[in-house]
Amino acid sequence: DIQMTQSPSSLSASVGDRVTITCRASQSINNYLNWYQQKPGKAPKLVISVASSLQSGVPSRFSGSGSGTHFTLTISSLQPEDFATYYCQQSHSTPYTFGQGTKLDVK
Amino acid sequence: QEQLQESGPGLVKTSETLSLTCTLSGGSIRNHYWGWIRQPPGKGLEWIGYIYHSGYSRSNPPLKSRVAMSLDTSKSQFSLKVTSVTAADTAVYYCARRSTDGYGDYDVFDIWGQGTLVTVSS
Repeated sequence: DIQMTQSPSSLSASVGDRVTITCRASQSINNYLNWYQQKPGKAPKLVISVASSLQSGVPSRFSGSGSGTHFTLTISSLQPEDFATYYCQQSHSTPYTFGQGTKLDVK
Repeated sequence: QEQLQESGPGLVKTSETLSLTCTLSGGSIRNHYWGWIRQPPGKGLEWIGYIYHSGYSRSNPPLKSRVAMSLDTSKSQFSLKVTSVTAADTAVYYCARRSTDGYGDYDVFDIWGQGTLVTVSS
């Protein structure tokens, strides 16, 4: 199985901050990497697919980059609605695997 | 607008079978894959498996021997059964639509149900 490791596990930030979350794969997954946002008590929501493709309706302050084994999710200017837990997920091969999550909360 | 809704018992006894159904509204169950993902309380996400409208399915190897998925196109429903459950199967279970571009580049879970908590207890 491909292991996905996110860092940091938690992150405290303020509105307006620029934040970056990292996701590393245990082997190359090309660009088959998706990012999901999950708020408490809610289902995950797809934010970015294929490493850098923003989903329709997702604000442009979100961006993704990377390929191979190293990926990042960046939020350029945090808004109050962005505080949530973020998960990366590889779609290179089954079994699909997720990172352990990065909880982004208010400083 | 397509929506998914899970349904099923919220409490299952140890060693028995967990059964959940996901109902699709506002769309067609054909020509898509339909998946299950679970999340133990306070923990991360685990892919369980997916099924295509043809009946083709794949599941996560650690669960494969205990998981069965099925689909009823006439009711726009798909179902999950997990046999011989233990406390480790306690989780919020999500159903989701898997969308792909057919080439393997775009492969995502883009529509999710709200999730349903299943507790396994003796």
